[in-house]
Amino acid sequence: ELKVEQNPLFLSMQEGKNYTIYCNYSTTSDRLYWYRQDPGKSLESLFVLLSNGAVKQEGRLMASLDTKARLSTLHITAAVHDLSATYFCAVDGKTSGSRLTFGEGTQLTVNP
Amino acid sequence: GAVVSQHPSRVICKSGTSVKIECRSLDFQATTMFWYRQFPKQSLMLMATSNEGSKATYEQGVEKDKFLINHASLTLSTLTVTSAHPEDSSFYICSAPLLGRASYEQYFGPGTRLTVT
Repeated sequence: ELKVEQNPLFLSMQEGKNYTIYCNYSTTSDRLYWYRQDPGKSLESLFVLLSNGAVKQEGRLMASLDTKARLSTLHITAAVHDLSATYFCAVDGKTSGSRLTFGEGTQLTVNP
Repeated sequence: GAVVSQHPSRVICKSGTSVKIECRSLDFQATTMFWYRQFPKQSLMLMATSNEGSKATYEQGVEKDKFLINHASLTLSTLTVTSAHPEDSSFYICSAPLLGRASYEQYFGPGTRLTVT
């Protein structure tokens, strides 16, 4: 059974600071996804990581994937209040047929 | 990007009644769609895989007779919650992958908030 673990689950940080969210998964994976969810809303796609060593950046967010370590990171640079949301990683395992297994989510609060 | 819609966005029903939720891929065909459920302050849990033209595949612990799924066309999947009870109150989200394309993107609908009174 594929398991996906995120940490931290709660993160409170000040504007301007940097931080990293970690996503570990238990079995070989084809693809790793990062999503953002605002309260009461559905998911917004941030990144799709397809191969070992993949790195993608969009604004203040950068995601990377190490398939050997079964680890993905979401790095936040110089956080701003607008980044406050819950961030989920999700994994599409090799035998999952595009079915995603989600991590628990990281609730990020950026304080002014 | 591709768009997935859901209807209704919010529904309140009485205990014992049935509720149907629609999920549509608006600008692409989806032979497969997924249905997730999310309780407050929790993650998304996959309920079932909806397959166009064949039976849905349910995850372990999900009652197939309670959560009826129909994937009648390449752009529409429906989830019917039968004999709903308050514990079925949740946020239901569908998704559709763009299979066969290099992006491997999965597109999520805006969700349906079900409240059973």
